[in-house]
Amino acid sequence: DTAVSQTPKYLVTQMGNDKSIKCEQNLGHDTMYWYKQDSKKFLKIMFSYNNKELIINETVPNRFSPKSPDKAHLNLHINSLELGDSAVYFCASSQVNRGLGGYTFGSGTRLTVV
Amino acid sequence: TQLLEQSPQFLSIQEGENLTVYCNSSSVFSSLQWYRQEPGEGPVLLVTVVTGGEVKKLKRLTFQFGDARKDSSLHITAAQPGDTGLYLCAGGPVSYNTDKLIFGTGTRLQVFP
Repeated sequence: DTAVSQTPKYLVTQMGNDKSIKCEQNLGHDTMYWYKQDSKKFLKIMFSYNNKELIINETVPNRFSPKSPDKAHLNLHINSLELGDSAVYFCASSQVNRGLGGYTFGSGTRLTVV
Repeated sequence: TQLLEQSPQFLSIQEGENLTVYCNSSSVFSSLQWYRQEPGEGPVLLVTVVTGGEVKKLKRLTFQFGDARKDSSLHITAAQPGDTGLYLCAGGPVSYNTDKLIFGTGTRLQVFP
């Protein structure tokens, strides 16, 4: 069983469209994250949810809206997609433990906006 | 802004060589983690170091946390092609109720047979 699963794996869409990425974890972790990895492989946090509550909301355009229906799921909806949104988006989960637990990442969603 | 700079950025070596990757910051972190990422996959946790000066070994990989908890190094002995990948250090946590990590700039390692 995959611990953190994201769908879809690849997403190609036109500018201006709205799209969603889904993430589910079966590890029983209490915290989930969305990270964006750019073309230089730099990973930057976007959002974090702890038990369905939004904890971290970094400087991200408000076209990006996360939703956590329960602590096992964290989805990312993106409105009015722009070329600069092209990147790989990673979902991750952890059990908050003062940094000792480590993250479990999904395999990523490669978003290409054309 | 907390930053973690990794060096070198790219490293291409022959099988059997040794190498060291460095992760440096001006900020103090309560823990430092190392991940390896392969193409098309998410990063996978290798190790967490917590105490200043701590050394951990994972087979041919040796991880060290600096005494001041601002830097770390990863040493690989007798590298193998299977070690190829993107190595990421990550410092954290940076807030009390979440394990938010700050990731380093990454080191891409290629080991040729």
